[in-house]
Amino acid sequence: DGGITQSPKYLFRKEGQNVTLSCEQNLNHDAMYWYRQDPGQGLRLIYYSQIVNDFQKGDIAEGYSVSREKKESFPLTVTSAQKNPTAFYLCASSRDGTVSSLHFGNGTRLTVT
Amino acid sequence: DQQVKQNSPSLSVQEGRISILNCDYTNSMFDYFLWYKKYPAEGPTFLISISSIKDKNEDGRFTVFLNKSAKHLSLHIVPSQPGDSAVYFCAVPPPFGNEKLTFGTGTRLTIIP
Repeated sequence: DGGITQSPKYLFRKEGQNVTLSCEQNLNHDAMYWYRQDPGQGLRLIYYSQIVNDFQKGDIAEGYSVSREKKESFPLTVTSAQKNPTAFYLCASSRDGTVSSLHFGNGTRLTVT
Repeated sequence: DQQVKQNSPSLSVQEGRISILNCDYTNSMFDYFLWYKKYPAEGPTFLISISSIKDKNEDGRFTVFLNKSAKHLSLHIVPSQPGDSAVYFCAVPPPFGNEKLTFGTGTRLTIIP
């Protein structure tokens, strides 16, 4: 079964620690995305990658970093520089980089205390 | 500055009646619009889309209407069913591009049995 796997589903960290969220897809999609969801703010784009070894900042990239060393993997690191890291993080991919074919994973809820 | 606005954070509708969800946008150059549905603790799933060359697109119980002069689109669900209870997001790609989506803030629809 093809899809996008985000792990873990729930993640807890202490303030000041970096944490990496995993996103793997076996859909053979070229493009991958990270979004963040906060109550009342919808989904906001953090980073996206149209091709391996290349990625672009989204609307709220500060305090985050990504890598795209393999087509199927797009991990997101939430650094200690991110002021409000507690949120629901969603990874997505699209077949040809067009948003009409965007598929989402089931998300990771990160809680930082 | 929000380019896509959903002014109703929540909506309750009786089962069997029509649900109408609204979305306003600011950029008259937007030419493609999508609606996503999201259940709690899951990723959004694509529901229906419309191109700016049309003013209506229908798929089963779901119809999206586009009013370009008012920069407004709406999603109609009829008849509403309990499984329709979810958060609905409208989303747009940038003008002349389709590499990423900007999402509205979402409307939580509750269908009352």
